[in-house]
Amino acid sequence: NAGVTQTPKFQVLKTGQSMTLQCAQDMNHNSMYWYRQDPGMGLRLIYYSASEGTTDKGEVPNGYNVSRLNKREFSLRLESAAPSQTSVYFCASRRTGMNTEAFFGQGTRLTVV
Amino acid sequence: QKEVEQDPGPLSVPEGAIVSLNCTYSNSAFQYFMWYRQYSRKGPELLMYTYSSGNKEDGRFTAQVDKSSKYISLFIRDSQPSDSATYLCAMSAAGGGYNKLIFGAGTRLAVHP
Repeated sequence: NAGVTQTPKFQVLKTGQSMTLQCAQDMNHNSMYWYRQDPGMGLRLIYYSASEGTTDKGEVPNGYNVSRLNKREFSLRLESAAPSQTSVYFCASRRTGMNTEAFFGQGTRLTVV
Repeated sequence: QKEVEQDPGPLSVPEGAIVSLNCTYSNSAFQYFMWYRQYSRKGPELLMYTYSSGNKEDGRFTAQVDKSSKYISLFIRDSQPSDSATYLCAMSAAGGGYNKLIFGAGTRLAVHP
């Protein structure tokens, strides 16, 4: 059981380049999330998707776009990367309903130079 | 002001100590409260989950929620070196706000032998 899979695990970008972070879950969860984690800042919500076909902004959406391609996949796109977007990015998924756990991927370490 | 505040620490304690970790929040709509544990270079994993107010105990861990004060706590009894990790609180509201899962900054804990 793979759970939540993120690709790539590491990436270095130059300022202004674009890239898409991929996330897929095999647990048939409705909700999916993208977070970034910076030292001392914890996990900050970028975007989330409550169900296939819907997406909503989180705490720090500027500079990012997302696509909920289907129930399994939720991608995060940086159109024009900036050094301030250097971070560790985590994707998570969660079943709808009370008392449900969010399962996280292993993270993508992104450096923008 | 962030919706969830958590002291990032670090917190260093001797083995066997009782550890108290805390979060405060500003959104009175939060009803679901969680604690996640994150080891270095890994994704967070759910440790405990509480709904609304009250206490919940699981082995050496106790979670408390005081909604009147907008304050939640995690207590670790008989702390072990293996408890050394970052502990993040997380919260979501009921109803339509349930899917928006917000995290605190995380508290880094080191338990030394």
